[in-house]
Amino acid sequence: DTGVSQDPRHKITKRGQNVTFRCDPISEHNRLYWYRQTLGQGPEFLTYFQNEAQLEKSRLLSDRFSAERPKGSFSTLEIQRTEQGDSAMYLCASSPPEVAGTTDTQYFGPGTRLTVL
Amino acid sequence: KQEVTQIPAALSVPEGENLVLNCSFTDSAIYNLQWFRQDPGKGLTSLLLIQSSQREQTSGRLNASLDKSSGRSTLYIAASQPGDSATYLCAVRLWAAGNKLTFGGGTRVLVKP
Repeated sequence: DTGVSQDPRHKITKRGQNVTFRCDPISEHNRLYWYRQTLGQGPEFLTYFQNEAQLEKSRLLSDRFSAERPKGSFSTLEIQRTEQGDSAMYLCASSPPEVAGTTDTQYFGPGTRLTVL
Repeated sequence: KQEVTQIPAALSVPEGENLVLNCSFTDSAIYNLQWFRQDPGKGLTSLLLIQSSQREQTSGRLNASLDKSSGRSTLYIAASQPGDSATYLCAVRLWAAGNKLTFGGGTRVLVKP
């Protein structure tokens, strides 16, 4: 296992610009999650994919946010017309297929830190 | 709406002392509860996962207990070391809330040599 990877690790952008982040889950993990974490707070759930289907979406995910997982492997999170309030750490996690009697651990990537100037 | 609270927000102990970290949640219909460690500027590392049917889980110096009726979980770290300095987060998955985790705000721990 190489772990969950995220790219880029850091992104600085100007207000109004669009940004896109990528997440590569652990291979054979069909479940993928995005969370957002601001300084001093715990992560907040944004969205969940099972394979390529986006099954859950938080109300935090405004119209400016869109996430995709086209082939059920890597995922992208795009933020359009960024605002200063979007500055945060964006975390991706993955977990294996849900089977009764097995653990449900979510494995997190290192995150992408976004700074909007 | 599930709320998860971790008190205190910060804790400082001398090396060798046992750590006791608290997590409380408002909705007892949990599917499981996880404890994570987060080092500054880094992602989260899973420490322990307790299923709703379990009362505790142990891994090395770590022991986590779960009391659903009172809405509480406790993470014990025995014989703390400076390397245990980090933020510890608990997260709850509810039966009725799909796959998402709801996190507490974390407890920032400093173990002084």
